[in-house]
Amino acid sequence: NAGVTQTPKFQVLKTGQSMTLQCAQDMNHNSMYWYRQDPGMGLRLIYYSASEGTTDKGEVPNGYNVSRLNKREFSLRLESAAPSQTSVYFCASSEWAGEGSETQYFGPGTRLLVL
Amino acid sequence: RKEVEQDPGPFNVPEGATVAFNCTYSNSASQSFFWYRQDCRKEPKLLMSVYSSGNEDGRFTAQLNRASQYISLLIRDSKLSDSATYLCVVIEGPWGFQKLVFGTGTRLLVSP
Repeated sequence: NAGVTQTPKFQVLKTGQSMTLQCAQDMNHNSMYWYRQDPGMGLRLIYYSASEGTTDKGEVPNGYNVSRLNKREFSLRLESAAPSQTSVYFCASSEWAGEGSETQYFGPGTRLLVL
Repeated sequence: RKEVEQDPGPFNVPEGATVAFNCTYSNSASQSFFWYRQDCRKEPKLLMSVYSSGNEDGRFTAQLNRASQYISLLIRDSKLSDSATYLCVVIEGPWGFQKLVFGTGTRLLVSP
C-alpha cells in the first residue's frame, strides 16, 4: 500500500496563476483533509471531506477550492495564487471524521512557492 | 489565545536524558488528545494517544490534566532518533465532523 500520495512534491507559481494539488489514498478511508503548515502557525485545516460527496470548510478556506472526486481522491485548487499561499500543503485521510479520526495518515506534502 | 499552545523549544538534551513537554488547550470541551511526531521536512505521524488515566508506550509516557487543561509527554532515556518536532493535537467537534487542532510543535534535539 502506498498510503497517501500527493503530487506535485514541489511547485513554483507566479502570482495569479492557478494550480491543482492532487491527493490519493489507497486505505479505503472515508474522510480526507487538506492542511497547510507555516512556520510558527502549526498545521491549519483548509478543507475536509467527511465522506465521499461531502466537503466542508476548515479554519482557512479562503482562496482555495476542493473536489472529492471519488473515495480515493481529494484535490485542492488555487484559482489565483497569492504570495500568502506560499506554504507546505499536507493531505491526510482517516477512516472516519469521528471515531478513528485521531489516526490521520498524512501524505509527504507539497512545497509551494508563490512569487 | 491559541487553541493549543506549546513551547516551541528547541529542547537540547544529551542521549540518555529524560525530557518532558507540556501543551495547554483552551477548549474545555475538547474530547481527545494525542501526540504526533514530525521529522524535519516530513509528514506528521501519530505517536500516541493521551488517556485520562495516563498511558505509557515504552520510553514514552503521556498524561492528561483536564482540570488545568494541559497534556504532557515524557521521554525517558532519550535516543538520537528521538530528535524531531512533537505536535500536541486535540480533537474537537461532533461525531462525524470531528477535526484535529494542532499545536505549533516542540522541537527536540538529542545530542551524543
